Amino acid sequence: DVKVTQSSRYLVKRTGEKVFLECVQDMDHENMFWYRQDPGLGLRLIYFSYDVKMKEKGDIPEGYSVSREKKERFSLILESASTNQTSMYLCASSLFPSVDEKLFFGSGTQLSVL
Amino acid sequence: GENVEQHPSTLSVQEGDSAVIKCTYSDSASNYFPWYKQELGKRPQLIIDIRSNVGEKKDQRIAVTLNKTAKHFSLHITETQPEDSAVYFCAFTSGTYKYIFGTGTRLKVLA
Repeated sequence: DVKVTQSSRYLVKRTGEKVFLECVQDMDHENMFWYRQDPGLGLRLIYFSYDVKMKEKGDIPEGYSVSREKKERFSLILESASTNQTSMYLCASSLFPSVDEKLFFGSGTQLSVL
Repeated sequence: GENVEQHPSTLSVQEGDSAVIKCTYSDSASNYFPWYKQELGKRPQLIIDIRSNVGEKKDQRIAVTLNKTAKHFSLHITETQPEDSAVYFCAFTSGTYKYIFGTGTRLKVLA
């Protein structure tokens, strides 16, 4: 079974800190995604990557960057955390570079920025 | 821009009744429409999907219907059970790689 692992379940940071959220998948998936989930807003795409060192902006990339140095790992970086980035962050992966593939999600990281 | 409207935002049904969740999407070129279920404190998981060349698909108590002309697709759950209580998200694909999710429907099945 596909496993998508996010390094932290809960994280508390201070305003201005640089924050790293890590995601690892174990099934050699090509595509990886970062979403944030907020009540009433659904899942909104921050960034995605379809290959190592490749990245594309999603709908809400401001204040975030990403890194994909290895195929299995996709990191989300908050350069200078702000309170409006308090949210649930979900990583996902899919197999082929095609839009018709099932997304496998991680368990999520609940980030609180104080 | 691309978006999908999902209704209702909350839905309460008695155990054994049916539940219907509806979504309307914006991108007429889209051809893949998945539904995800997220139980409390857990990750979203795909429960059913449909492609644009099919009007309806069933999997036991769950069915999805698609009306491409009207840009509507719906999730139908029959004989609801308490374990169906969750948040359900519709989605569609826009262009390459991009999934657009609805805002979610919180379904409560009352015993």
